[in-house]
Amino acid sequence: QVQLVESGGGVVQPGKSLRLSCAASGFTFSSYGMHWVRQVPGKGLEWVAVIWYDGNNKYYVDSVKGRFTISRDNSKNTLYLQMSSLRAEDTAVYYCARLDCTNGECHIDYWGQGTLVTVSS
Amino acid sequence: QPVLTQSSSASASLGSSVKLTCTLSSGHSSYIIAWHQQQPGKAPRYLMKLKTSGTYTKGSGVPDRFSGSSSGADRYLTISNLQFEDEADYYCETWDSNSQVFGGGTKLTVL
Repeated sequence: QVQLVESGGGVVQPGKSLRLSCAASGFTFSSYGMHWVRQVPGKGLEWVAVIWYDGNNKYYVDSVKGRFTISRDNSKNTLYLQMSSLRAEDTAVYYCARLDCTNGECHIDYWGQGTLVTVSS
Repeated sequence: QPVLTQSSSASASLGSSVKLTCTLSSGHSSYIIAWHQQQPGKAPRYLMKLKTSGTYTKGSGVPDRFSGSSSGADRYLTISNLQFEDEADYYCETWDSNSQVFGGGTKLTVL
């Protein structure tokens, strides 16, 4: 069965960096685009970044452009989010999610369990 | 980019039915959406994708009590025979211009 397992969250000081990982299993990882989505506790879902199946295309929400980098290693079935210059407003649970696309129509069809990132001095 | 509008809250009695709405903004009424459920303290779970035709495809293990329908720019999630475990936040989402767009979510209370 499809599994997405995030890791790497924790408490980090403002301005510092952190790298999240998402280990995928149960499907052909290299055939799917992948997202990072975050959620401030008690708030709604916010899309953060997406990477195409081959890693050649990456897109970000404006608030993280220039600070976050999404990447993947298809040989290791792993998705990454490198976060730098972290701010208090980046505090959230970060989920990885699989993107299912058919004829250009895409949606999320699997979610990981999430990892909490707390940016605080 | 589309905007997805959801009511902030809804409530219904145990064993009854409830219909949640997600409305696509003007110019985007043909978009497919997906519904996701987030129970308290848990990660979101994919429920179904829903086309403008009303055709829907559910995720693995989603009970038959969950169904979808469409009318114009509105996309609906209907939950029949409500159970206490259906008390959750429900989000709709769609895809546009290389980004995922989420509605604000509806908090469903089962009375």
